[in-house]
Amino acid sequence: AQSVTQPDIHITVSEGASLELRCNYSYGATPYLFWYVQSPGQGLQLLLKYFSGDTLVQGIKGFEAEFKRSQSSFNLRKPSVHWSDAAEYFCAVGAGGSGTYKYIFGTGTRLKVLA
Amino acid sequence: KAGVTQTPRYLIKTRGQQVTLSCSPISGHRSVSWYQQTPGQGLQFLFEYFSETQRNKGNFPGRFSGRQFSNSRSEMNVSTLELGDSALYLCASSRETQETQYFGPGTRLLVL
Repeated sequence: AQSVTQPDIHITVSEGASLELRCNYSYGATPYLFWYVQSPGQGLQLLLKYFSGDTLVQGIKGFEAEFKRSQSSFNLRKPSVHWSDAAEYFCAVGAGGSGTYKYIFGTGTRLKVLA
Repeated sequence: KAGVTQTPRYLIKTRGQQVTLSCSPISGHRSVSWYQQTPGQGLQFLFEYFSETQRNKGNFPGRFSGRQFSNSRSEMNVSTLELGDSALYLCASSRETQETQYFGPGTRLLVL
């Protein structure tokens, strides 16, 4: 079955420290991969996406993610975290064909940033 | 370009009532998907509409239904509300089905 795993429910980092959020997926083919961020009470904002090509993807707000096919992973990274990055982060897989396509989301990682 | 808009932003209903939520997609987007977000179940796919036709449906009871109009605006309806229907309902639009989805701010539904 298709699934997305975000092993870390909560992560706390100090402002200025580097960040890596993990995402692993289970899917029979190469999926479309996404990272979204959600601030409290808000919708989801797209950070970055991977469809094909270069496996290192740059996104908004200084985020990047690397697709590793051999590990079925799509980890999100940021070299220096800002206090405004505190939010919940969701990894998603776009899976299925015509008539069955949908996003499958991970359970999210809540990021806390210490001043 | 204006983003995805959802109305209303907040709703309080009582058990047994029904509710209709509205979603206006980004201009030019023909696909609208709906998701339910709860603390216990996370983000779950409800259904997708494309050119006024339901293309895909998640694993939700028939009390959950939707439709899409010719201008791509979509509504979702929940009948006979249950306490467990309390959630944030998110709408997302994309140009085509398998393209990137852009989300609205959501409608927070509280069922008492």
